[in-house]
Amino acid sequence: NAGVTQTPKFQVLKTGQSMTLQCAQDMNHNSMYWYRQDPGMGLRLIYYSASEGTTDKGEVPNGYNVSRLNKREFSLRLESAAPSQTSVYFCASSEAGGLSQYFGPGTRLTVT
Amino acid sequence: DAKTTQPNSMESNEEEPVHLPCNHSTISGTDYIHWYRQLPSQGPEYVIHGLTSNVNNRMASLAIAEDRKSSTLILHRATLRDAAVYYCILRDNYQLIWGAGTKLIIKP
Repeated sequence: NAGVTQTPKFQVLKTGQSMTLQCAQDMNHNSMYWYRQDPGMGLRLIYYSASEGTTDKGEVPNGYNVSRLNKREFSLRLESAAPSQTSVYFCASSEAGGLSQYFGPGTRLTVT
Repeated sequence: DAKTTQPNSMESNEEEPVHLPCNHSTISGTDYIHWYRQLPSQGPEYVIHGLTSNVNNRMASLAIAEDRKSSTLILHRATLRDAAVYYCILRDNYQLIWGAGTKLIIKP
């Protein structure tokens, strides 16, 4: 099993450009999450999907949109990137209830 | 939201036990206590979680105070591979509230 996979691993954007971060899990988990981590900080939840067909805002949703494409895939879109969105983005999944989250390797995004 | 307080960093010798403290004085009755760790340049890794009773698994033990206002993650025999940032986190429904964690330094 690959666990949680994320693409791309690295990305550089110019201010105002858009992009979609992809995440997939093969553990048949119901819940999926998108976090961002700024240098020296803990993770902050952007959006989560408790189950297929549902999405909810987390702590820092502004500037982002998400799509739960199916049970396996959960994408994060930046419509108009800003330098403040420079960060490492992590996707995670868990069985229902948020316990024992499994994380992907992260996407390092730089917005210039 | 209930928050946790952890020391910024701790040092330990290899092959000795490590006790990582966490204070969560505003914890509610339904908050689970989670511990994750993050090795350099990697995603976080689940370590252990508990609600009221002490918990053991193959990675670590979690000791929870009787009043639940503090907890301690115990690594029974630290190795160099345990050098990481350890996060003590409370779960609020689906949301994990992350602090800055404790950087654990293991000395050979």
